[in-house]
Order: sequence, then C-alpha cells, then structure tokens
Amino acid sequence: GAGVSQSPRYKVAKRGQDVALRCDPISGHVSLFWYQQALGQGPEFLTYFQNEAQLDKSGLPSDRFFAERPEGSVSTLKIQRTQQEDSAVYLCASSYVAGGTDTQYFGPGTRLTVL
Amino acid sequence: SQKIEQNSEALNIQEGKTATLTCNYTNYSPAYLQWYRQDPGRGPVFLLLIRENEKEKRKERLKVTFDTTLKQSLFHITASQPADSATYLCAPGVSGNTGKLIFGQGTTLQVKP
Repeated sequence: GAGVSQSPRYKVAKRGQDVALRCDPISGHVSLFWYQQALGQGPEFLTYFQNEAQLDKSGLPSDRFFAERPEGSVSTLKIQRTQQEDSAVYLCASSYVAGGTDTQYFGPGTRLTVL
Repeated sequence: SQKIEQNSEALNIQEGKTATLTCNYTNYSPAYLQWYRQDPGRGPVFLLLIRENEKEKRKERLKVTFDTTLKQSLFHITASQPADSATYLCAPGVSGNTGKLIFGQGTTLQVKP
C-alpha cells in the first residue's frame, strides 16, 4: 500500500516568501505529526494532529509557522515570510491510533532552502 | 531540560563485526524507547521499541537494551553488512503524551566490506 507522501520534495524560496508544504498520510491514520530536521541533527517535533484537531503545537518556532488538517487527512504546513534559518527538511509522519507508542510512518520529507 | 545524547562521531566497522550504538538521556524517565533508521534523503524508519520493564529486545540481527538506572540504551547490530550503513536515531518516549517523538541527533554507521 501507499506510504506517507510529501510534496514538493524540494522547495527553494527567496527570503520573505510564503511556502506551503503538503503531507498525504496513510489512509485511515488518526495521528499526524510534523517534524523539522536540520542538517546533521535528529528531527525536532513541530506539531501534532489527532484527526482534524491540532492538539499540540508547542514545537512551532514562531507565529510564522501554521499547520492545518481540515478534513482529518491531508495536512499543510505553511511558513510565512520565510527566513534563512527556516532552511531544513520538513518531515511528516502518521500513525494509526492516537498517542502512545504506535509506530510512526514517515514521509520522505520536503527539503526547504531559503535564499 | 531533557537531553538525549548519541555519539555524534560516525562509527566505522568492518563487515561481519557487531556494531554498538549508544543513547544516553538525562532529566527525564521515559517509559519506552524507540530506535529508527534513516537513510540519506529519506524519512526515518521504525526498527524496535523497548519498554522500561524490558531489559532486552531482539529482532533478527538487532538487539536493544534499556537500563533505566544508567539512563542508557544500547543498540547492537550483529554480523553487520554494508547495507546496514545508515544513521540510527533513538527516541525515548513518555507515557500519556501525544506520541510525539523526541529524537537524539543520531549516529552514522558505516560498514565497510
């Protein structure tokens, strides 16, 4: 079956531009996570959705970052007025149940480069 | 604050040997710990989960230990192969939360033929 997909795979933005990154989780998965991974580092948690509800956004670095999952499936991470420090790989992961130790399935990530 | 430490230096070993990777954590008490593998340009892939009441867990050539006294997990790959070359990430987890993962920085393993 299909795994988690993300688009675009690569995005180059000029400083100050807005970007939108898309995540298609595995069908039927309740939980959806966004992570940010800087070069040479482990992924860092950004936000969590249970169905359409955003239950944890404690990892979003600033109010320029906004995420939504309006129908409980596809999610979009939007970054407004991009800055060079936003350059990273943005990973999406989904899991079947809500919370706990359920295995998270990751997408390939979107590599964002801000010039 | 919570801290997770993995050896940031790459681990280079010869094919057939056992690779041992270390994950140390401070300032919290995880109920479980997960290990993931990440290849370049790809997202992490789940390998093993070990709970605080389990000392050791095995899956094929993989073995994970979890010492809550030492606050450490060891990840072993026996009879290593060049295909095992990747970055390995540990992620201690706390019960009752959303399931979000807090990762270490990862250790890169290179297995030479």
